[in-house]
Amino acid sequence: GAGVSQSPSNKVTEKGKDVELRCDPISGHTALYWYRQSLGQGLEFLIYFQGNSAPDKSGLPSDRFSAERTGGSVSTLTIQRTQQEDSAVYLCASSHRDMDEKLFFGSGTQLSVL
Amino acid sequence: AQSVTQLDSHVSVSEGTPVLLRCNYSSSYSPSLFWYVQHPNKGLQLLLKYTSAATLVKGINGFEAEFKKSETSFHLTKPSAHMSDAAEYFCVVTEPPGGSYIPTFGRGTSLIVHP
Repeated sequence: GAGVSQSPSNKVTEKGKDVELRCDPISGHTALYWYRQSLGQGLEFLIYFQGNSAPDKSGLPSDRFSAERTGGSVSTLTIQRTQQEDSAVYLCASSHRDMDEKLFFGSGTQLSVL
Repeated sequence: AQSVTQLDSHVSVSEGTPVLLRCNYSSSYSPSLFWYVQHPNKGLQLLLKYTSAATLVKGINGFEAEFKKSETSFHLTKPSAHMSDAAEYFCVVTEPPGGSYIPTFGRGTSLIVHP
């Protein structure tokens, strides 16, 4: 596609439910990042995928958070047993890591946990 | 570990006056530095980047930034603000392989432009 695509754009869920957020990066981009942006805050790193290497999960805030990237392309971020503090905008970005490091961002998923 | 500090959470200017958004970084390596802009209800967009070439970097929409190693700073400037510049601006640092290759974002500076 022409850009990074994220779905859904908005997700409202009840506390305790599981949610899945999807990211479709730019074709050919080997690097994929997930960030979280809370109101008035900067971007908090969650997880990084690079090619076929093991992902860097060092930013995941708890074991309720997980992510996978299938076939080096589409990625899914899963949050289990959602809590109100999980409410935020979840942003996905992709890049040619070894070329110019410029990040291309999706429009994000606004997650609201009631 | 790398880090980045944006010294002002909000900057307010009048249209037509200069803009200065301040950023300081910390890194054990020769980092790459970036400024991204986020307009309301829009995605993040790259403004400019520094990767060890010229210390004065020119970006889109008339913005530029100067890398000063001695001051560990990468401040963003624009000679004359326009109403359309009102947005959130993020300073970002990335280290080369061997360092922390994860782009680290500052907390952001909200630029307010008054008519």
